[in-house]
Amino acid sequence: AQKITQTQPGMFVQEKEAVTLDCTYDTSDPSYGLFWYKQPSSGEMIFLIYQGSYDQQNATEGRYSLNFQKARKSANLVISASQLGDSAMYFCAMRDYLDIQGAQKLVFGQGTRLTINP
Amino acid sequence: DADVTQTPRNRITKTGKRIMLECSQTKGHDRMYWYRQDPGLGLRLIYYSFDVKDINKGEISDGYSVSRQAQAKFSLSLESAIPNQTALYFCATSNARLNTGELFFGEGSRLTVL
Repeated sequence: AQKITQTQPGMFVQEKEAVTLDCTYDTSDPSYGLFWYKQPSSGEMIFLIYQGSYDQQNATEGRYSLNFQKARKSANLVISASQLGDSAMYFCAMRDYLDIQGAQKLVFGQGTRLTINP
Repeated sequence: DADVTQTPRNRITKTGKRIMLECSQTKGHDRMYWYRQDPGLGLRLIYYSFDVKDINKGEISDGYSVSRQAQAKFSLSLESAIPNQTALYFCATSNARLNTGELFFGEGSRLTVL
């Protein structure tokens, strides 16, 4: 079974600094996908970025980038030039297969609460 | 308007009561899911459905049931609510044709069982 681990329950960062949120995963499948979602205090889940296991380059979306180190099984989220609005809970997730027909679900880590200080 | 809509958004109920959380979507996706979120545990899958006639248990289905009334509607029921079912519940959808498996979430339903 797939497993996702986020070892930082909380992080505090000064505004405008870069921040790295850690995520490690465990899988025996050669094909997998990794996601990051943001959950602000209002509660909704916002998709940030996706990395496929066969993607040659690290994914980037605006200020978000995914530092994908396949050998280490890590998929850390990097937020550049942090802003007050980045304060939220962040979840790392991995695509997992439910059955042999290839039905999929996402398995989530425990989350990291990021607080940006002014 | 949200593409994935959950009702109610907040609900406080008493132990033993029957509760239904409803989810409807306008995304045209065939796959729908119910997750619950607890502090320190992330999101865990309760049930999922890949079409109207397909219902499957997730990792924590005990105490819950679901109904897929139409492609766009997927409801979650707690037949006899208990306090440890207090959580934030999410409905999500995905598109089988989207190879990544990305989930599209509703805004969440916060349930408190007293």
